[in-house]
Amino acid sequence: GEQVEQLPSILRVQERSSASINCTYENSASNYFPWYKQEPGENPKLIIDIRSNMERKQIQGLIVLLDKKAKRFSLHITDTQPADSAMYFCAASRSNTGYQNFYFGKGTSLTVIP
Amino acid sequence: EAAVTQSPRNKVAVTGGKVTLSCNQTNNHNNMYWYRQDTGHGLRLIHYSYGAGSTEKGDIPDGYKASRPSQENFSLILELATPSQTSVYFCASGDASQISNERLFFGHGTKLSVL
Repeated sequence: GEQVEQLPSILRVQERSSASINCTYENSASNYFPWYKQEPGENPKLIIDIRSNMERKQIQGLIVLLDKKAKRFSLHITDTQPADSAMYFCAASRSNTGYQNFYFGKGTSLTVIP
Repeated sequence: EAAVTQSPRNKVAVTGGKVTLSCNQTNNHNNMYWYRQDTGHGLRLIHYSYGAGSTEKGDIPDGYKASRPSQENFSLILELATPSQTSVYFCASGDASQISNERLFFGHGTKLSVL
């Protein structure tokens, strides 16, 4: 298998500040790193992802960084809003024939305080 | 957005009873997955399928069976439910292709309580 460590498990930030979540993985063959946001009672939804041929990716206020040497990747949410309050999951995956093995972190509960 | 529908949304079962969780996807994705989500564990893979007729064991398959009778439907079966199987179960379909990484699309989950 694969272990994906995600920290912190709980994060509280003031509105308009930045929030950062860090994940580490074990298997150097992992080549795809998605981030999912899950609001209470809802399904996890893909919000941003990064492939192993990139070091940085930004979609609006979401930034993902990947350090393959350190086997570490992170999500940074800039200018946070109360609507960003949710559970966030990172995952590391690697390609197999016809499908990918996904290994998820344990999640970070983010609360943005107005 | 890709559509994955799970039923039921909530289920209460008795210990030793049989439980079937159903999942339907209209995305025409080959791959489908069953995960369980528990506090402190994140999402863990139970079973997955490459396509109609195939089922494969994931990381925590003990106590579960799966069935993929068609491209659209993937069921998770608990033949003898136990309280330790109380959890939230998520089905997902994946848009695997030869040229890009697979993305997962999750259903809204089934909350199962085994008493």
